[in-house]
Amino acid sequence: EAGVAQSPRYKIIEKRQSVAFWCNPISGHATLYWYQQILGQGPKLLIQFQNNGVVDDSQLPKDRFSAERLKGVDSTLKIQPAKLEDSAVYLCASSLGTDEQYFGPGTRLTVT
Amino acid sequence: QKEVEQNSGPLSVPEGAIASLNCTYSDRGSQSFFWYRQYSGKSPELIMFIYSNGDKEDGRFTAQLNKASQYVSLLIRDSQPSDSATYLCALHTGNQFYFGTGTSLTVIP
Repeated sequence: EAGVAQSPRYKIIEKRQSVAFWCNPISGHATLYWYQQILGQGPKLLIQFQNNGVVDDSQLPKDRFSAERLKGVDSTLKIQPAKLEDSAVYLCASSLGTDEQYFGPGTRLTVT
Repeated sequence: QKEVEQNSGPLSVPEGAIASLNCTYSDRGSQSFFWYRQYSGKSPELIMFIYSNGDKEDGRFTAQLNKASQYVSLLIRDSQPSDSATYLCALHTGNQFYFGTGTSLTVIP
């Protein structure tokens, strides 16, 4: 069974630029999560989708971050404009229900 | 107060010993609890989950949950150098998932 796919794996941008990340969950997994993991910290949940609906986005900085999951499969997370403090690894995870989450390899974002 | 608290370590144990990792949480309504292992530069990997008070064993790993005292722990028996990693405690409460900052474990050959 293929795991969670993410791209790109690495991205370097300047502050105020925009960036987008893509995630393809494990086949059949209805729930998809985006996390931000800053170096030395645990992952922080940004947004959770159930199929193509948003379950929770309370920790998503909506003035600059947006996410969508069209057709209930792939998802994209966008940052516009980026700030220095957005430098982190962005992790996508998926699960059948709402518990056992399986993580993708992550996208390491560096904002200069 | 953070939702999930872990001792950041580092924790060092000799090969073959038992490693004990602990986690406390603040929300008594938390429903389920997870332990993830994260190697440096890699993404978290689920080790175990536990929902009910008591112990749950899976191979060399045992998760322990005490809801009255609001703590969850992970025991690793017969620790191996390959167990050297950061161990993340996580919980599910309401619609939210919270992770601790992780405990760094080093198993010394």
